[in-house]
Amino acid sequence: DTEVTQTPKHLVMGMTNKKSLKCEQHMGHRAMYWYKQKAKKPPELMFVYSYEKLSINESVPSRFSPECPNSSLLNLHLHALQPEDSALYLCASSRGQAKNSPLHFGNGTRLTVT
Amino acid sequence: QQQVKQSPQSLIVQKGGISIINCAYENTAFDYFPWYQQFPGKGPALLIAIRPDVSEKKEGRFTISFNKSAKQFSLHIMDSQPGDSATYFCAASSGDSSYKLIFGSGTRLLVRP
Repeated sequence: DTEVTQTPKHLVMGMTNKKSLKCEQHMGHRAMYWYKQKAKKPPELMFVYSYEKLSINESVPSRFSPECPNSSLLNLHLHALQPEDSALYLCASSRGQAKNSPLHFGNGTRLTVT
Repeated sequence: QQQVKQSPQSLIVQKGGISIINCAYENTAFDYFPWYQQFPGKGPALLIAIRPDVSEKKEGRFTISFNKSAKQFSLHIMDSQPGDSATYFCAASSGDSSYKLIFGSGTRLLVRP
């Protein structure tokens, strides 16, 4: 079993809904990530939090809003999404910088926007 | 220059055969090259990684070969098994953007029994 837990596993939402994705890790990792993965494509980086502060935002639309309440938790708040936002959303964590510690991915939330 | 080009897109190998996946890069600042394995319905998991100061790294049946002058690296899976059937992603990162991994496009490997 993965050490990064994501909930829910599946989510269907309408374009006017507000929902949140949750991610939790208890490995003491200080970096946490959100990735988006479309079918048959590699993961695309969205956000990176380092020591609970937003470190990287890959020009993600404002309808995606990340939050890091503490070092173990990472949320992704969703509002007014478009059908093209349907994808697998992966959370990951690492002890530190990517080249010094591997990314540990969760199994993702499969999001469908109707 | 930030791209990592991966080939082939898909690969079918008989059980016991050797699977070979290739990646190439342009950015000479890249200094860390991991390979991730992803099974359907799961997140990617680190398989093996290499730094440019070594030309080869082996872990069990999995070997990374690295050619710094050609800016290429490859994954070899020896004695391929049906359980190795998955999507494999090469990746790279550089010290100046060290939280960011640049992923290759992925290779879907099918190992036939």
